Amino acid sequence: AQSVTQLDSQVPVFEEAPVELRCNYSSSVSVYLFWYVQYPNQGLQLLLKYLSGSTLVESINGFEAEFNKSQTSFHLRKPSVHISDTAEYFCAVSEVNAGNMLTFGGGTRLMVKP
Amino acid sequence: DAGVIQSPRHEVTEMGQEVTLRCKPISGHNSLFWYRQTMMRGLELLIYFNNNVPIDDSGMPEDRFSAKMPNASFSTLKIQPSEPRDSAVYFCASSSRTGGTGELFFGEGSRLTVL
Repeated sequence: AQSVTQLDSQVPVFEEAPVELRCNYSSSVSVYLFWYVQYPNQGLQLLLKYLSGSTLVESINGFEAEFNKSQTSFHLRKPSVHISDTAEYFCAVSEVNAGNMLTFGGGTRLMVKP
Repeated sequence: DAGVIQSPRHEVTEMGQEVTLRCKPISGHNSLFWYRQTMMRGLELLIYFNNNVPIDDSGMPEDRFSAKMPNASFSTLKIQPSEPRDSAVYFCASSSRTGGTGELFFGEGSRLTVL
């Protein structure tokens, strides 16, 4: 069985500042890793994912995450945040070849202040 | 594509009443998931269907909860009788199991309030 820990429940940050949302996972087998974003009163949307290959993955709106196998981490970063990035971010993991059974972390609320 | 469609978006009911939440997955997707989201417990997987067959219902909290998927385009989550502690946002998500790359497509959720 796998588990996901998001170390920060809330991250306040000023607009245009950099941000890192931390995610650590545990699993005894190979995994796929995901970040989902949830805007207020909406469902979750896939932000980016790591399946294989380059350990650095990027989203279309400037976020990036790096898979670090030795540290079992998949931290999410953005060099300069916008007010519109205010949302809840969920890290998730699934076992390779186990279908689409995702285990989610507890979520991190990113609050971008003007 | 219309995405995953859930109804109702909001439901307010009294303790003891039956609640039925509905979900239409994305056409062609063969996996369907029901999640519950609360402030205290975060996102919890309740049940998972593959090709209309329940695969894992270990997350269903108790016998008051039941879920069905009579065909590939419709699923229901029923709570009978409902209790105040069932108040939460219930999400349905679907995916294509082929390839298994893990992208789930979520509906906008059904917010349930049990008084």
